[in-house]
Amino acid sequence: RKEVEQDPGPFNVPEGATVAFNCTYSNSASQSFFWYRQDCRKEPKLLMSVYSSGNEDGRFTAQLNRASQYISLLIRDSKLSDSATYLCVVAANTGKLIFGQGTTLQVKP
Amino acid sequence: DAEITQSPRHKITETGRQVTLACHQTWNHNNMFWYRQDLGHGLRLIHYSYGVQDTNKGEVSDGYSVSRSNTEDLPLTLESAASSQTSVYFCASSGVINNEQFFGPGTRLTVL
Repeated sequence: RKEVEQDPGPFNVPEGATVAFNCTYSNSASQSFFWYRQDCRKEPKLLMSVYSSGNEDGRFTAQLNRASQYISLLIRDSKLSDSATYLCVVAANTGKLIFGQGTTLQVKP
Repeated sequence: DAEITQSPRHKITETGRQVTLACHQTWNHNNMFWYRQDLGHGLRLIHYSYGVQDTNKGEVSDGYSVSRSNTEDLPLTLESAASSQTSVYFCASSGVINNEQFFGPGTRLTVL
């Protein structure tokens, strides 16, 4: 079983749609949680950290359920520029990150 | 502004040659990491370092080595390049407050 699992998609949605990505992780000792965004052939960039209380940044909302070892990312009012691969990432307190394979989002006009 | 750079950005080499990929960061981060990214595998950790003179093996370290002689640099060496090492290589760094990693732009390596 992979340490971090994501549905690879692709998710094809129209502009303005709401889309949700899910991720599960296997290590209950994981300390930190992130969503990274990766555009084609470029480096991953931090989209947002994920906290137990849930957090929101504009159109993006992230949730963490430690009991179920489950992380989610909700994107509202999708834009063409949201098209990318979204990486679910977990970390132990060692500083090492474990990346999911990523979920591809394609927003269509 | 602080940044993390990698060089070269593209490299073509032949099987059996030694290759070194450079990574330089000006964040003054203690932690540095090397990953490779291949279709179907996502990002996989090759080697990492928590400070000067510290190096550790990641999940795919065979055929690779690193050295950390200062805070800013963590070069990655392929001792004898193999076609299976054709990949995109990313370097990253992080501080000690949280685990957020900042990535370099990547090096696309082709081994013929």
